[in-house]
Amino acid sequence: EVQLLESGGGLVQPGGSLRLSCAASGFRFNKYAMSWVRQAPGKGLEWVSDIRESGDPTYYADSVKGRYTISRDNSKNTLYLQMNSLRAEDTAVYYCAKWLAAAANYYYYGLDVWGQGTTVTVSS
Amino acid sequence: QSVLTQPPSVSGAPGQRVTISCTGSNSNIGAGYGVHWYQQLPDRAPKLLIYGNTNRPSGVPDRFSGSKSGTSASLAITGLQAEDEADYYCQSYDSSHVIFGGGTKLTVL
Repeated sequence: EVQLLESGGGLVQPGGSLRLSCAASGFRFNKYAMSWVRQAPGKGLEWVSDIRESGDPTYYADSVKGRYTISRDNSKNTLYLQMNSLRAEDTAVYYCAKWLAAAANYYYYGLDVWGQGTTVTVSS
Repeated sequence: QSVLTQPPSVSGAPGQRVTISCTGSNSNIGAGYGVHWYQQLPDRAPKLLIYGNTNRPSGVPDRFSGSKSGTSASLAITGLQAEDEADYYCQSYDSSHVIFGGGTKLTVL
């Protein structure tokens, strides 16, 4: 079964850091681009970051650029999101997701597998 | 303010047909990037319904269909069922960024 399992969420003070992990199973992790998508309480989906199958290049939403770093360890089938300088507006459920196609133009194909999400709360 | 514009809400009675629009611009949908649609049930992760404008992943009922024209796309749901009550999001691509619509809440009357 294809599965993504996020972990690492929690309560953190403004200005603090967290690292999220996403363990992948049931597919050839090193063949697919991956993404992080977040959803603030009561709000819509917001794309956060993409990473290509090899780990490079990476892409970021303007709202997190310079504060967040996406990475992956293909030997461990794990995706990461390092979040620094956290703000109250970063409070959200964070999902990792897999792109449907192992292709250079992966964004033509949609995100076909999503994790259950991990909750990040930034508050003093 | 989302780059892709969706109506906040739509509704329909069981058995009816509803459509949800997604309006973009020449730098995203109009540039030829694929439009994808997701269904999100309450307290659940999103589920891919339509990819590449018109394609259904395996397991998605053919009651769901997608179309695209110019700078807009639409999701149609026929034979509306109570279990279709959910939030629906469109997604595309623009300037190396993935973009989502603001979401549409579908109410089954």
